Amino acid sequence: EPEVTQTPSHQVTQMGQEVILRCVPISNHLYFYWYRQILGQKVEFLVSFYNNEISEKSEIFDDQFSVERPDGSNFTLKIRSTKLEDSAMYFCASSGLGTEHTGELFFGEGSRLTVL
Amino acid sequence: AQRVTQPEKLLSVFKGAPVELKCNYSYSGSPELFWYVQYSRQRLQLLLRHISRESIKGFTADLNKGETSFHLKKPFAQEEDSAMYYCALSVDTDKLIFGTGTRLQVFP
Repeated sequence: EPEVTQTPSHQVTQMGQEVILRCVPISNHLYFYWYRQILGQKVEFLVSFYNNEISEKSEIFDDQFSVERPDGSNFTLKIRSTKLEDSAMYFCASSGLGTEHTGELFFGEGSRLTVL
Repeated sequence: AQRVTQPEKLLSVFKGAPVELKCNYSYSGSPELFWYVQYSRQRLQLLLRHISRESIKGFTADLNKGETSFHLKKPFAQEEDSAMYYCALSVDTDKLIFGTGTRLQVFP
């Protein structure tokens, strides 16, 4: 069964460094998302991406963040100048097969980011 | 404002007991609601959606627009139901708004 894959599973970085989290969505899905979950808190929407552009972003997703689909398979989240409060589990998700966008999201296992 | 509330952080029951995980939502549009589940060391996955009105693994959830609720129920809990359960509201089919989650513990 196809799955969303994320790398790395865990990244430790120094405050102020740039981080790129990578995701390979399910092939033929058209909608891509990043969510994050700070330890002990709820899963929060960051950004959705469709047709090679951001379709919606939350107030969390400020200029520090960017997303890109550099080729036909990867979907990346870049966090510039990381802060301590960026430490969280970041989930990638994808959905939709053509017009069959049912609202069901398929999640990756997450990338845990620890900022020291 | 769009919001999903799950009032219980932890729900502990014994095997065979009924389970109800509460979820209330706030949304001015026509809501589309989901329950997602995360078993230990597994990814977040869809359990059920209100549109399909189906029972999955014995779980059901009915959308009550009057009470703005979408509680998840199962008449007889099993140990393998132990997991984190998230209620989620789909907004414009473009994003999900999650509740804070309820951890269900089913004791033997």
